[in-house]
Amino acid sequence: GENVEQHPSTLSVQEGDSAVIKCTYSDSASNYFPWYKQELGKRPQLIIDIRSNVGEKKDQRIAVTLNKTAKHFSLHITETQPEDSAVYFCAASRGNTPLVFGKGTRLSVIA
Amino acid sequence: DGGITQSPKYLFRKEGQNVTLSCEQNLNHDAMYWYRQDPGQGLRLIYYSQIVNDFQKGDIAEGYSVSREKKESFPLTVTSAQKNPTAFYLCASSMGADGYTFGSGTRLTVV
Repeated sequence: GENVEQHPSTLSVQEGDSAVIKCTYSDSASNYFPWYKQELGKRPQLIIDIRSNVGEKKDQRIAVTLNKTAKHFSLHITETQPEDSAVYFCAASRGNTPLVFGKGTRLSVIA
Repeated sequence: DGGITQSPKYLFRKEGQNVTLSCEQNLNHDAMYWYRQDPGQGLRLIYYSQIVNDFQKGDIAEGYSVSREKKESFPLTVTSAQKNPTAFYLCASSMGADGYTFGSGTRLTVV
């Protein structure tokens, strides 16, 4: 089955700097890669996703890149703000199978 | 509450007791899922259902049971066979290969 590895487990950045979180997956048939943000005690919320037919997707300060050959995908947050502090999860699936999640990255943005 | 409602928000279980967590959605989603979240472990799949009256075991199904008698409802029972049930439980739903919508979670504690 699918296995998703996520790095780093914790990340601290200064406000205004960029943050990058990386994930690798094992199943070459996976074709859907979402990212979720979870604030303390809250539900995970979908912030961006990408499908295997594109290599990059952007939404304001957030971007995701996908390298199918290397089987890895990354989340990029530019101009970080204190409200970006949260736990971020990557996930992967074949589309008709449940999402397999990484273990999460705790991002702290220091003002 | 985002179209998917979990109750209760907090639940306390005594040793040897079965407890049931409720999950209801009004999004007309076909698929529903239960995940368990422990610190540093990410989200691990317990059970999922892609259609009414059918469900599949996830990675950590032992000690849990589910039913899917209605499209809107996917309750999870934590049985006495689950020896370490203290965790945050998240229900989610999806339509096809789209991203999940999560409920607000139930925090279960053994007392």
